[in-house]
Amino acid sequence: TQLLEQSPQFLSIQEGENLTVYCNSSSVFSSLQWYRQEPGEGPVLLVTVVTGGEVKKLKRLTFQFGDARKDSSLHITAAQPGDTGLYLCAGARGNDMRFGAGTRLTVKP
Amino acid sequence: NAGVTQTPKFQVLKTGQSMTLQCAQDMNHEYMSWYRQDPGMGLRLIHYSVGAGITDQGEVPNGYNVSRSTTEDFPLRLLSAAPSQTSVYFCASSYSAGELFFGSGTQLSVL
Repeated sequence: TQLLEQSPQFLSIQEGENLTVYCNSSSVFSSLQWYRQEPGEGPVLLVTVVTGGEVKKLKRLTFQFGDARKDSSLHITAAQPGDTGLYLCAGARGNDMRFGAGTRLTVKP
Repeated sequence: NAGVTQTPKFQVLKTGQSMTLQCAQDMNHEYMSWYRQDPGMGLRLIHYSVGAGITDQGEVPNGYNVSRSTTEDFPLRLLSAAPSQTSVYFCASSYSAGELFFGSGTQLSVL
């Protein structure tokens, strides 16, 4: 059982559509990160959220941290083919970093 | 600026062989860690270090050893490779646990 559960596992959409990816846990985290990974590469950090209820925007990407710091969501507006990749959430509990299994997003032109 | 450098990129081992995966970072990060990535499982923490001379176990440490003699280097040793250790291995570093910088990975196959 994953400490962090991500949904959906796979998502295939058309260019221009909106989407939301979820990251849920029963544990509280001191911070939560979202990463994007492309084939053959290591994950690349997108954002860190620290405060319960925090919302961060990165161009067309909106990240939200749950009030209880147990869950998070990633919303992409008007998805583009360049958004294709594996999106991973990760939570820090002290020095122990745990990752979700990821959401594989495909955006078709 | 090289960031996090992992070698080798690919490796094939026979069951029972030993090997060391190398990881070096040039960002003066205190925190370094090793993960393995398997399909459908995400990234699982093997070992981590919060500074030279300090290491600790993560979620899946069995069959792996680490040491941290310098701030820059954090090698991962497979003592006696098993087919279950076939995976993609990533090294990562950061100032503290949280915002990780990853290497490009080592794809390991154990036959």
